[in-house]
This record gives sequence, C-alpha cells and structure tokens, in this order.
Amino acid sequence: AQTVTQSQPEMSVQEAETVTLSCTYDTSESDYYLFWYKQPPSRQMILVIRQEAYKQQNATENRFSVNFQKAAKSFSLKISDSQLGDAAMYFCALTYSGAGSYQLTFGKGTKLSVIP
Amino acid sequence: GAVVSQHPSRVICKSGTSVKIECRSLDFQATTMFWYRQFPKQSLMLMATSNEGSKATYEQGVEKDKFLINHASLTLSTLTVTSAHPEDSSFYICSANSNDMYTDTQYFGPGTRLTVL
Repeated sequence: AQTVTQSQPEMSVQEAETVTLSCTYDTSESDYYLFWYKQPPSRQMILVIRQEAYKQQNATENRFSVNFQKAAKSFSLKISDSQLGDAAMYFCALTYSGAGSYQLTFGKGTKLSVIP
Repeated sequence: GAVVSQHPSRVICKSGTSVKIECRSLDFQATTMFWYRQFPKQSLMLMATSNEGSKATYEQGVEKDKFLINHASLTLSTLTVTSAHPEDSSFYICSANSNDMYTDTQYFGPGTRLTVL
C-alpha cells in the first residue's frame, strides 16, 4: 500500500517570502510519480508540479520547486516570492504505473496562509 | 490545455430525487475518469474509477447502486446520485487522465456542491 504524509496541517508565510511544505511517502514501487496540487478557496484542484521518480533532477515551475529526496522518500514543495494568490490547501499525491489507471494517493493537506 | 469541466457547479435537490453530474474533458481525450467526494477540511476520497465503454470500479464502501457512473465517451463521464438523502450532501469532484499528455497525471474539474434538503 502507498501512503502519503503531510505533517504540517497549517503553515503561514509573509508575502514575498519563501515557504517549504513537507511531504513524505512510502511505496514499494520503483516506477512512480509525485505531485503537488493546490486547492484555493474556489476548491478547484490545480496541478502545481509533477515529478517522475526516476528523474533525479528536481522539478521546477516558475516560483514553485521541489526537493525530491528519493532515498529518504521525501518530496517537499518550496514556494518562492509568496503571493496572496498562493493561499490555499496544498495536497501532496503519489501514483504509480500499476495503480489501476494511475489512481492517486493523497496526503491530508497543508493549509497555507499568506500574510500581507 | 487539459481542461476539465463539471456541470452543474451547484445543485440543491429534495430528498428522494436523483441528481446527475456531468464531467467533460474539453481539450483532450480521457481514457480514465475518476470521481471523488470531499468533506469540509478533508482530503479527497476516491469513489470510483471509470473507463470509457466499461463498468466503473467502485471503492470499498461506495454503494454502486446509489452512485451510478456512466463513461459513454472519451470526453464525458456522468455521476448520478440516486434517491439522494441529506447525508449525500457533499462536494463532488471529477478528474481525468489524458491520452495525449502525461497519462499518469490527473486533471481536475471545478467540482459540484450537492445539497440535499
């Protein structure tokens, strides 16, 4: 079974500062994929970043980057130059190629507040 | 790219009636679509996985006769909540995997808030 753990239920960051959200996971699969999704108050789930486990290079999307530590099974999200629009729930998720059409296993989420 | 729509965004119905929610992939074909339920301040709970042209696979504890799923085409899946009761009130979200882009990545619809009176 796969598990995804987000140990920080809530985080806050000052506008323009940097914040890191933690995620650890457990899987016995070798071919898997990791994601961060953002859910703002509108509740639309938005893909923030995707990481292929076989790639050592950390994924980056503009102000969002990950620190993927495969041996430690850690997948943290760093948000640089935080903006008010970054305030949302952030979910870490995992899937793998044998997961029945790529079903996702989600963490419980981290609520990020951005302080003006 | 990878836009998923849901209709309606909000629905209020009386207890005992049925409600249909549509999920469409607008700019891609989706072999697989997923239906989730989300309770306030909680993560997403997978209800079922549907593949075009075949029966949906329901998660344990989800009543297949209550939550009917039809995936008639590569761009449309529907969830029908039959004989709805107040305890079915929730936020329902669909997602789809693209045939064209990363097949491992789910793209989500905006969700449907169902209120059963």
